[in-house]
Amino acid sequence: DIQMTQSPSSLSASVGDRVTITCRASQSISSYLNWYQQKPGKAPKLLIYAASSLQSGVPSRFSGSGSGTDFTLTISSLQPEDFATYYCQQSYSTPPSFGQGTKLEIK
Amino acid sequence: QVQLQESGPGLVKPSQTLSLTCTVSGGSISSGSYYWSWIRQPAGKGLEWIGRIYTSGSTNYNPSLKSRVTISVDTSKNQFSLKLSSVTAADTAVYYCASNIVVVPAAISYFDYWGQGTLVTVSS
Repeated sequence: DIQMTQSPSSLSASVGDRVTITCRASQSISSYLNWYQQKPGKAPKLLIYAASSLQSGVPSRFSGSGSGTDFTLTISSLQPEDFATYYCQQSYSTPPSFGQGTKLEIK
Repeated sequence: QVQLQESGPGLVKPSQTLSLTCTVSGGSISSGSYYWSWIRQPAGKGLEWIGRIYTSGSTNYNPSLKSRVTISVDTSKNQFSLKLSSVTAADTAVYYCASNIVVVPAAISYFDYWGQGTLVTVSS
């Protein structure tokens, strides 16, 4: 199975900040990497698929990059509604696997 | 817009079988572009993929759960179901059903629609 490791596990930031979350795969997964946002008590929401493609309806302040084993999710200017937990997920091989999550908190 | 809704008992006794159903609305479960997945999340923890089914009935399971999991589909009801046998307290979690689109030929795959989740507690 492919292991996904996110860093940091938690992050404090302020509204308007630029934030970057990193995800590393235990082996090359090409660009088969997705990002989700989850708010408390809610289901995850797809933000980015195939490493850098923005899901329809997702604000353009979210962007993704990377290929191979190293990927990043960037939020260009944090908004109050962005404080949540973020997960990466590889779809290169079965079973699909998720990172452990990055909790983004208000500073 | 596709919507998914989980249903089933919220409390299951240890050693018994957990059974959940996901009802799909706003789209056909027979759509050729989709697999239909179950994913779970213990309280305060991360996401674990349980398995998926295609409209044909073809399944894939997480090896960590494969011996205890059965996923089935009922296309006439636009539903798919999860059975997890011999449950223990470690199976206590919020269970989500999700649609898993696969875009050919690149085989890009992601979970685009999710149910709201249902909490299943394993306790006597």
